[in-house]
Amino acid sequence: EVQLLESGGGLVQPGGSVRLSCAASGFTLSRFTMAWVRQAPGKGLEWVSLISFIGQKTYYTDSVKGRFTMSRDNSKNTLYLQGNRLRAEDTALYYCAKSLDPGDSPFESWGQGTLVTVSS
Amino acid sequence: DIQMTQSPSILSASVGDRVTITCRASQGLSSSLAWYQHKPGKAPKLLIYKASTLERGVPSRFSGSGSGTEFTLTITSLQPDDCATYYCQEYINYWTFGQGTKVEIK
Repeated sequence: EVQLLESGGGLVQPGGSVRLSCAASGFTLSRFTMAWVRQAPGKGLEWVSLISFIGQKTYYTDSVKGRFTMSRDNSKNTLYLQGNRLRAEDTALYYCAKSLDPGDSPFESWGQGTLVTVSS
Repeated sequence: DIQMTQSPSILSASVGDRVTITCRASQGLSSSLAWYQHKPGKAPKLLIYKASTLERGVPSRFSGSGSGTEFTLTITSLQPDDCATYYCQEYINYWTFGQGTKVEIK
């Protein structure tokens, strides 16, 4: 059974940093495209970043480019999202998600999310 | 970037009604379009991919259609458990979501 367990969220001051983790089980992380998706309070789903199975390339939504870095540790089957220079608008519930297929495909499995609150 | 526009934003219908949600893309997607159901406090759930393929375990009252720039999600007989927000998502360019459609029971 596929399971995704996010951790690392919390209260962060504006300009601060956070490192989110997503522990995967039930499948081999390196064989699938993985993503981080967030939902700000009262808002819809927003794709944040993605690491492709093909070539391990990473992609970011414009609002986080240069501030967020997505990576994975295949030996630990764990996905990470490092967020720097955080802003109030980064406040959201952050989900990690696994693609349906190894290539470009929608997100079949999701974690329960970890909440990041950016506030002084 | 591709813009995804859903309509309506809120939909109120009675149990047993047929409901339809529309999603329009600013560029052609071929069939690279998915639909998700999201309930408060829960993880989003993939319902449909490739515009019309039903994910395993999803009730057959859900169906998807369309290609190119216009897509629809239909629930043939609305059930109380279907109260949720529904999102379309393109996955041909970046994985952009529509703004969501909240489905309520009258």
